[in-house]
Amino acid sequence: AQSVTQLGSHVSVSEGALVLLRCNYSSSVPPYLFWYVQYPNQGLQLLLKYTSAATLVKGINGFEAEFKKSETSFHLTKPSAHMSDAAEYFCAVSDPSGYSTLTFGKGTMLLVSP
Amino acid sequence: EAGVTQFPSHSVIEKGQTVTLRCDPISGHDNLYWYRRVMGKEIKFLLHFVKESKQDESGMPNNRFLAERTGGTYSTLKVQPAELEDSGVYFCASSSGQPPGTQYFGPGTRLLVL
Repeated sequence: AQSVTQLGSHVSVSEGALVLLRCNYSSSVPPYLFWYVQYPNQGLQLLLKYTSAATLVKGINGFEAEFKKSETSFHLTKPSAHMSDAAEYFCAVSDPSGYSTLTFGKGTMLLVSP
Repeated sequence: EAGVTQFPSHSVIEKGQTVTLRCDPISGHDNLYWYRRVMGKEIKFLLHFVKESKQDESGMPNNRFLAERTGGTYSTLKVQPAELEDSGVYFCASSSGQPPGTQYFGPGTRLLVL
């Protein structure tokens, strides 16, 4: 069985500050890992994914995440937050040997203040 | 290219009524998934179609939920009769390839059962 833990249901940062959203996973097999973002009144949009290639993954809108097997983590970062980054972020894991069903964390709401 | 579309965007019904949600995947995507997010909880997998066949329906909560995918194109998810705990956001996603590739999500249907 797989599981995802996202630390912090809400994270607040100031515009221009570093964004760090934490994700830890549990998986019995080497996983695929994903970050999705949901802007208000929209669907889920893929930010980036790790599929066993490079451990540092770059995504859209300046976000990146690093896969650390020893720490079972896949934290999402962005050097400088913009107001437009305010949204809910979801970390997800899937078993690459299966049919790619996603197991999600509970989500982290990112709040950006001026 | 059109993305995943879902209809309706919102639905408010009374307990005991029937509701049918529709999902149109990205054209050519054989894999179609349904997920649900109950308020305050994580997004959870419901079921997975490959073309018109149910590949995995292990996440369906009970027999009040019926999913179909006619001709391997659009899919419907019927809830009959609806209960209060069925309220939430129902997401549809689609992907191509075998094994399936990245899942692309629709905007979701917000269901409220009163």
